Amino acid sequence: ETGVTQSPTHLIKTRGQQVTLRCSSQSGHNTVSWYQQALGQGPQFIFQYYREEENGRGNFPPRFSGLQFPNYSSELNVNALELDDSALYLCASSLELRATTEAFFGQGTRLTVV
Amino acid sequence: AQRVTQPEKLLSVFKGAPVELKCNYSYSGSPELFWYVQYSRQRLQLLLRHISRESIKGFTADLNKGETSFHLKKPFAQEEDSAMYYCALKGSGGSNYKLTFGKGTLLTVNP
Repeated sequence: ETGVTQSPTHLIKTRGQQVTLRCSSQSGHNTVSWYQQALGQGPQFIFQYYREEENGRGNFPPRFSGLQFPNYSSELNVNALELDDSALYLCASSLELRATTEAFFGQGTRLTVV
Repeated sequence: AQRVTQPEKLLSVFKGAPVELKCNYSYSGSPELFWYVQYSRQRLQLLLRHISRESIKGFTADLNKGETSFHLKKPFAQEEDSAMYYCALKGSGGSNYKLTFGKGTLLTVNP
């Protein structure tokens, strides 16, 4: 069984640029969620995809967008990067859309905006 | 609105001592509560969930709806318990898609 993998592991971008982060969900999982974790904070929910459709969204501006592909892998896109977007971005996959379902996390992508 | 509060940013205990990591939540319905742990250089992983009512690595947590708390306890801490601990909540019904995390408590178990 393959776990959740994210790429790249580290990234440095300039303010105003665009970035795409990638996530491969755990085998058999059809639900992917993205979280932003700023330094010293807990992960904050960005959005979730279930069977290629956005299923919920947190308090993030529209320049944060995503996709889920037929194989359930996912992308997080951020446009017009701001310095405050510097954070660890976590992807989590789960087997189904239930409250009790365990979320399996990737190792994260560390984004630095300069 | 969903909110999770972990009042202690840092907690330091000696090996063999009891440990309690506090978690309080705010949610109007019936939440699902979780404890996630992150060991050094490892990914975030589930430690336990209230619905399972299980003990994992000697840790237990009881959901107290009256006090809206879900404190994590272990009677005898071990050095390998040193890690970052996050309490998290999932709502019911339409808001059950997201985990709301607290800011975390860094537990250090000294020899």
